[in-house]
Amino acid sequence: EAGVTQFPSHSVIEKGQTVTLRCDPISGHDNLYWYRRVMGKEIKFLLHFVKESKQDESGMPNNRFLAERTGGTYSTLKVQPAELEDSGVYFCASSQGASGGDEQFFGPGTRLTVL
Amino acid sequence: DQQVKQNSPSLSVQEGRISILNCDYTNSMFDYFLWYKKYPAEGPTFLISISSIKDKNEDGRFTVFLNKSAKHLSLHIVPSQPGDSAVYFCAASPFFTGANSKLTFGKGITLSVRP
Repeated sequence: EAGVTQFPSHSVIEKGQTVTLRCDPISGHDNLYWYRRVMGKEIKFLLHFVKESKQDESGMPNNRFLAERTGGTYSTLKVQPAELEDSGVYFCASSQGASGGDEQFFGPGTRLTVL
Repeated sequence: DQQVKQNSPSLSVQEGRISILNCDYTNSMFDYFLWYKKYPAEGPTFLISISSIKDKNEDGRFTVFLNKSAKHLSLHIVPSQPGDSAVYFCAASPFFTGANSKLTFGKGITLSVRP
């Protein structure tokens, strides 16, 4: 069974540009999460989808960040326009839901560098 | 305001000895606690969890202890092996399972096991 995949693995952009990160969760997982780790700091929650609906977006830093999960499958996280402080590693995670196990499975992350 | 604290950034132990990784939390609403292990360029991998109704959970070489009154948990690895060298994150959730809720992470502890 394929794990959580993320694309791209690395992205280097200039301040003011737009970047779109993609996450493909494990097939059949209803829950999809986005997290971010800024260098040396903790992994911070950004938002949580249940299928295509946003369950909790309390961690989104500001309106420059837009997450979508059309059709309840893969998700995208767009940053527009990017700022220097957006640099970090963006992790996606998925889980089965109430009837499944209690684990969130993480992808390898996308390392975003804003110059 | 960090709700999950891992105050020691690193730990070095000899192979075969016990590794003890500590974690403190401040939010009384946390009900479920998890440890994740992370290798470089990979996403965090679930290791072991414990709910607040227990004070100990064991899985092979890994044991997690929870002291709810002190808001403290610890991960014991015995015996430690060189392959255990990684960053260990403590995480917490307000629900009995971490699969359906956002996780709040600590900053992580880098464990080095010397051969």
